[in-house]
Amino acid sequence: DTAVSQTPKYLVTQMGNDKSIKCEQNLGHDTMYWYKQDSKKFLKIMFSYNNKELIINETVPNRFSPKSPDKAHLNLHINSLELGDSAVYFCASSQDSAGRVGYTFGSGTRLTVV
Amino acid sequence: GNSVTQMEGPVTLSEEAFLTINCTYTATGYPSLFWYVQYPGEGLQLLLKATKADDKGSNKGFEATYRKETTSFHLEKGSVQVSDSAVYFCALSDAGGTSYGKLTFGQGTILTVHP
Repeated sequence: DTAVSQTPKYLVTQMGNDKSIKCEQNLGHDTMYWYKQDSKKFLKIMFSYNNKELIINETVPNRFSPKSPDKAHLNLHINSLELGDSAVYFCASSQDSAGRVGYTFGSGTRLTVV
Repeated sequence: GNSVTQMEGPVTLSEEAFLTINCTYTATGYPSLFWYVQYPGEGLQLLLKATKADDKGSNKGFEATYRKETTSFHLEKGSVQVSDSAVYFCALSDAGGTSYGKLTFGQGTILTVHP
């Protein structure tokens, strides 16, 4: 049983397209996150949800829209994809909203925009 | 704001060598500190953590001590194996202010261990 699962694992798409990445966790955690890892491996938070409520929204273009239909799911929709959106996107969940116990990460979605 | 600085990589070692990866941090509150490991093509896995000053986190032969006086959390292992080759990330979580538990990561250190 995968604790945090993301789909798809790989996504290749053309500029201007709209795409979604799905994330599900079966750990019963209340808090979920999206992180972006660039080509130099640097990780930066994009969004955080606690029990379906948005609590962190970093300076991310509004082409990126998270959706949390329930506390086990946090999906990421991206409109009008640009070359600079190419990266690995990680979903994660945490038992506590303070982040003190650490996160469980998904295996990532490698997005390539051509 | 919060920040984490790791030693520059890549680090290349021979099997059974001693490993140190330095990590220092800046935080406004009382952060929890973490080391995560990312194996090729995989997501990040929590390696160890410490939640208060002088705590020592340990796992799989790795250890790190939360040093508030030097704002450091250096990762060490006495004898590395080829299977330890990965990218290692130092991170902090600061529940204070508007951080809401977000993790701030260092830039990652690539470790390669040769037989």
